[in-house]
Amino acid sequence: GAVVSQHPSRVICKSGTSVKIECRSLDFQATTMFWYRQFPKQSLMLMATSNEGSKATYEQGVEKDKFLINHASLTLSTLTVTSAHPEDSSFYICSARLPGHSGEQYFGPGTRLTVT
Amino acid sequence: GQQVMQIPQYQHVQEGEDFTTYCNSSTTLSNIQWYKQRPGGHPVFLIQLVKSGEVKKQKRLTFQFGEAKKNSSLHITATQTTDVGTYFCAGPRGTYKYIFGTGTRLKVLA
Repeated sequence: GAVVSQHPSRVICKSGTSVKIECRSLDFQATTMFWYRQFPKQSLMLMATSNEGSKATYEQGVEKDKFLINHASLTLSTLTVTSAHPEDSSFYICSARLPGHSGEQYFGPGTRLTVT
Repeated sequence: GQQVMQIPQYQHVQEGEDFTTYCNSSTTLSNIQWYKQRPGGHPVFLIQLVKSGEVKKQKRLTFQFGEAKKNSSLHITATQTTDVGTYFCAGPRGTYKYIFGTGTRLKVLA
């Protein structure tokens, strides 16, 4: 149980275009999902908290207009990187909190974004 | 702001040797979590510690939460090649958000 999927696993896009990443909880409902960014050989940096049915809350320094988050259902959150630039290239990982459990997170496999 | 640091940053050990990573928070934590990320993979939840001074074991892994609830450690006895990866601690910020530590990358030499 507690499986989280992400799609796509890899994406290459041109500078100036937008990219949407989907995060799904496959066997449980997640009222809260999280989006992280990870640079090579570095830690996970929390970008935002995605709340079902309400606006996402962003961490300091993360541009909400650039990283659009939508949590339209209890099993799906999406992250859209708008007007992507090469510096947005990174590994984006989502996670979902298992309801009823104290706080452990289950992570998706991640999406490798390369902006050319 | 809240910071969670881990030492060492890297550790290479011979298979069979022990390994320890230390996690230190700038603030007192209500709980602490540990995750493992294999190379090319995603973080996988290992354990959560809540009580001051708590010690929990999972086979060859021993997790400890400091008395002051500002530090924690993960000790692996007799490492195996399957232990390779990066170990992260994570401390809560707010209700459900967690801030990840800097991580310790373990390499096990056969």
